[in-house]
Amino acid sequence: KAGVTQTPRYLIKTRGQQVTLSCSPISGHRSVSWYQQTPGQGLQFLFEYFSETQRNKGNFPGRFSGRQFSNSRSEMNVSTLELGDSALYLCASSSSGTGTGETQYFGPGTRLLVL
Amino acid sequence: SQQGEEDPQALSIQEGENATMNCSYKTSINNLQWYRQNSGRGLVHLILIRSNEREKHSGRLRVTLDTSKKSSSLLITASRAADTASYFCATVGGSNYKLTFGKGTLLTVNP
Repeated sequence: KAGVTQTPRYLIKTRGQQVTLSCSPISGHRSVSWYQQTPGQGLQFLFEYFSETQRNKGNFPGRFSGRQFSNSRSEMNVSTLELGDSALYLCASSSSGTGTGETQYFGPGTRLLVL
Repeated sequence: SQQGEEDPQALSIQEGENATMNCSYKTSINNLQWYRQNSGRGLVHLILIRSNEREKHSGRLRVTLDTSKKSSSLLITASRAADTASYFCATVGGSNYKLTFGKGTLLTVNP
């Protein structure tokens, strides 16, 4: 099976712009989670989608949003970018989600730089 | 907020030696997982241990879990240069569907 893919891999934006990141899960996986990784805060959970429904959300402002499509592909959007949004954004997929104790399979990440 | 705290933050050893990393957490968990990350890339799942398990092995990896002390350890035996990476523990607790990660241990294995 193909692994989790994320596009784009690298992105440079300026403050105030918005950005959309895409994640394609492993075929058959219905759960997609998003994480932000920064040197200061480490890995932080953004949200999780399962069958097109947001099932859990982390402590991020409303500028961070996401959605999941019927084919399980997911997008996350960050509006009004701030310098502090510069980070590696990782998505992970699994069949049923972390609450069931399943392994999460991570993509390579999208590295976002906000200037 | 971080649930797990890895110790040490950085570890440097020679090839062939064993590496031990520890993780402590604060709240009750369903399971604890260890991941590896090579230089800012995606995370690779190493091993999952459930709250009712005390020890698990996978190849050169051995994980222990002590729920009374809220701690876990990851042992990598006979380390190789290719094991150089950051190692993170992550917990899943209650009915939430998220992994809560620690800040990681940076392991450097010198040839």
